[in-house]
Amino acid sequence: QKEVEQDPGPLSVPEGAIVSLNCTYSNSAFQYFMWYRQYSRKGPELLMYTYSSGNKEDGRFTAQVDKSSKYISLFIRDSQPSDSATYLCAMREGGTSYGKLTFGQGTILTVHP
Amino acid sequence: DTAVSQTPKYLVTQMGNDKSIKCEQNLGHDTMYWYKQDSKKFLKIMFSYNNKELIINETVPNRFSPKSPDKAHLNLHINSLELGDSAVYFCASSQSWTGAGANVLTFGAGSRLTVL
Repeated sequence: QKEVEQDPGPLSVPEGAIVSLNCTYSNSAFQYFMWYRQYSRKGPELLMYTYSSGNKEDGRFTAQVDKSSKYISLFIRDSQPSDSATYLCAMREGGTSYGKLTFGQGTILTVHP
Repeated sequence: DTAVSQTPKYLVTQMGNDKSIKCEQNLGHDTMYWYKQDSKKFLKIMFSYNNKELIINETVPNRFSPKSPDKAHLNLHINSLELGDSAVYFCASSQSWTGAGANVLTFGAGSRLTVL
């Protein structure tokens, strides 16, 4: 079993839809939770990160972490064609985990006009 | 001006050859990484250097040898290439190797290696 599981999709939604992307994990030592976005033929770029359980909002994006269920989500409101990309969840242990991020497989999202 | 730049972008080579990928960051970050992304888009850490010192060395064949001449540069040399080495190799950097600074990685555009 992988430490981080993410449904690879693909996910196809109409413009304006609310998108929900999810990851589950097995390592209870994970303390930092991140979402990266990767456009085709580009490197991943950080969207947002949260520390431990809770919610964080940034514009149209909301990240949720539920440590008791080992489950994280990213919600995208009013999705736009420019949101079409692969979304990768990533996690890191606290303490001296030396910047090692463990990534999910990525979910391919297409938002069509 | 690209923050993290990698060269070359594309590499096509025969099995058994040796190849190198170079990476440079102009962000003033202390920590640099090599990640490998396979055909299923799974991104996995290989190595990390903090201020020229190796701090992460995952289970990677010793045919892969990283080198950091200074904190702005991290190179990857691969000996005796195998078919399974075909992947996209990403260089990344972060402000630090612990704390919140270690969560924000800036990635290069990737080097796509194809071994025939």
